[in-house]
This record gives sequence, structure tokens and C-alpha cells, in this order.
Amino acid sequence: EPEVTQTPSHQVTQMGQEVILRCVPISNHLYFYWYRQILGQKVEFLVSFYNNEISEKSEIFDDQFSVERPDGSNFTLKIRSTKLEDSAMYFCASNSGPGGTDTQYFGPGTRLTVL
Amino acid sequence: KNEVEQSPQNLTAQEGEFITINCSYSVGISALHWLQQHPGGGIVSLFMLSSGKKKHGRLIATINIQEKHSSLHITASHPRDSAVYICAVASDSNYQLIWGAGTKLIIKP
Repeated sequence: EPEVTQTPSHQVTQMGQEVILRCVPISNHLYFYWYRQILGQKVEFLVSFYNNEISEKSEIFDDQFSVERPDGSNFTLKIRSTKLEDSAMYFCASNSGPGGTDTQYFGPGTRLTVL
Repeated sequence: KNEVEQSPQNLTAQEGEFITINCSYSVGISALHWLQQHPGGGIVSLFMLSSGKKKHGRLIATINIQEKHSSLHITASHPRDSAVYICAVASDSNYQLIWGAGTKLIIKP
């Protein structure tokens, strides 16, 4: 069964460093998402991406964040200058229809620890 | 006020018990999702529904659009059902998922 994959599973970085989180969505999906879950808190929407551009973004997704689909398979989230409060689990998801109108399939997550 | 409220926050039950988790929402929606988050963190979609009722194995999800309420039921609960169950609604304005805080379920053998 197709699945969403994410790398790395755990990333440790120093405050102020840039990190890139990688995702490979399901191949025939058209919509891609990043979510964040701070430890002990609820999942929060960051950004959605369709047709090679951002379709929606939340207030969390400020200028420090960017997303890219550099090739036909990868979908990346870049944090330019990490802060302590960026420590969280980051989930990538994909689906065939916009937003929550279609079942989303989630990757296993990348745990980001900012020291 | 949270747009998606779940109750209870925590639920501990004995194996075999019938489980009900509730979700209320305050926004217009195009669909409601129930998801399961495993202790390791992975998220799996269980149901997406916009009306009525859906059943998959021992899991049943219902939604009442007029009352803006949904329930997730688990029949004949088993320790492997222990997880966090999350309700999320797709806003009818931008379709993005608005997440509830989750219900942590523990089923004791």
C-alpha cells in the first residue's frame, strides 16, 4: 500500500541553524500539507501546497518557513533560522482532493529538537 | 473558544467495554474526520464523514450536522485500541483541517 515517507525521523539542531525536513507524498496525490505538533499539544496546520504553490498557510507559517517541491517526488519544509519554540513533531500529509474534503495520508513525522 | 471540542480528554476502560468519544464543533464544515494517533506519534485516518454514520470493523462514527456533533464508538474494546483519538473538521471556507485536542484512551486488559 502506498505511504507517505518522511526523513529524517529525528533531527537535532542548534538554535539559529537552518533545517530542511523532507517528505515523499503518495505519488498520484495532488495536495500536500505540513502540520506541527508541539509535545503535549494538538496538531496545528502550517501550510497546504497545490500545483507548485502555497494554497493556504496559517499564522504560524511566517517568513522563517518555506516549502518547495524540488522534483516530482519530494516535498520539503525549510526553517531558515530555528528557534527553541520550533521544537515539535512535524507531519507531512497528502491527498487527492483539497484540504479535508478527502482523506489525508500522514507520514510518520520528523521530531525536531532545537537546542 | 476552541472551534473543535472533544470529550472526554482522558478515558480509561476495561477490555470489552463499549467506548464513546464525543466531538462538538462551532464552524461550518464540509467534512469531519476521526483520526488515531499511536503512542509512537503516527497519525492514521479512521473516518471521513459529512452525514449519517460509517462503520469499519469495531469502529462506528456518527455525525449530526444540525447539532454540530459527532461521536466515535468502539465496540468490544481491546488494549490495542489504546491511542489518542482526534476529531478534525474541514472548514467549509478554506477546507483546511481544524484539529481537536484529542482523547487519550487506555484500555486495560
